[in-house]
Amino acid sequence: DAGVTQSPTHLIKTRGQQVTLRCSPKSGHDTVSWYQQALGQGPQFIFQYYEEEERQRGNFPDRFSGHQFPNYSSELNVNALLLGDSALYLCASSLLQGAGEQYFGPGTRLTVT
Amino acid sequence: AQSVTQPDIHITVSEGASLELRCNYSYGATPYLFWYVQSPGQGLQLLLKYFSGDTLVQGIKGFEAEFKRSQSSFNLRKPSVHWSDAAEYFCAVGAPLTASKLTFGTGTRLQVTL
Repeated sequence: DAGVTQSPTHLIKTRGQQVTLRCSPKSGHDTVSWYQQALGQGPQFIFQYYEEEERQRGNFPDRFSGHQFPNYSSELNVNALLLGDSALYLCASSLLQGAGEQYFGPGTRLTVT
Repeated sequence: AQSVTQPDIHITVSEGASLELRCNYSYGATPYLFWYVQSPGQGLQLLLKYFSGDTLVQGIKGFEAEFKRSQSSFNLRKPSVHWSDAAEYFCAVGAPLTASKLTFGTGTRLQVTL
């Protein structure tokens, strides 16, 4: 049973560019959440998707957008990249009607130069 | 608004010694509580969780945590630390009854000396 997978592992972009990160949830899970973890900090909630809709959103600008596909996989898009967007982006999957625990992928390390 | 405080940024213990990592939360009711561990450059692994019932919960790798409602705390403990336990530990809080967003503390970095 594969856990949560994310791609790519690492990414280097230039300021102003756009980036797309991908996530496949754990088998059987229907909900995907995205978190941003800056160096030396705890993860910060970006948004959560369920049934292809954004269900919850954290305090992130509209430059951050997402999508969930019918197979429950998800994408995180960031437009007009800033240096401050450099971070580890973590995807977590869960069951909406489950017990609340979220399972995390290994993350995508984004560096903006 | 929910929040989590981990007062210890960095803790060093000797291998074989006991460990306690502190976590205090702020939430309007009894939340769901979690401890995660993160090795360098890796994602987060769930150590244990508290939803309801017995206030002492057991997790993986010999860890346990105790929920104390009166102190709004959920401290993580291990009787005997192994060198492989060196990592970053995060406490998190979530709303009950649903897989809602998690709010994390800033983490405690554990160093284990041999």
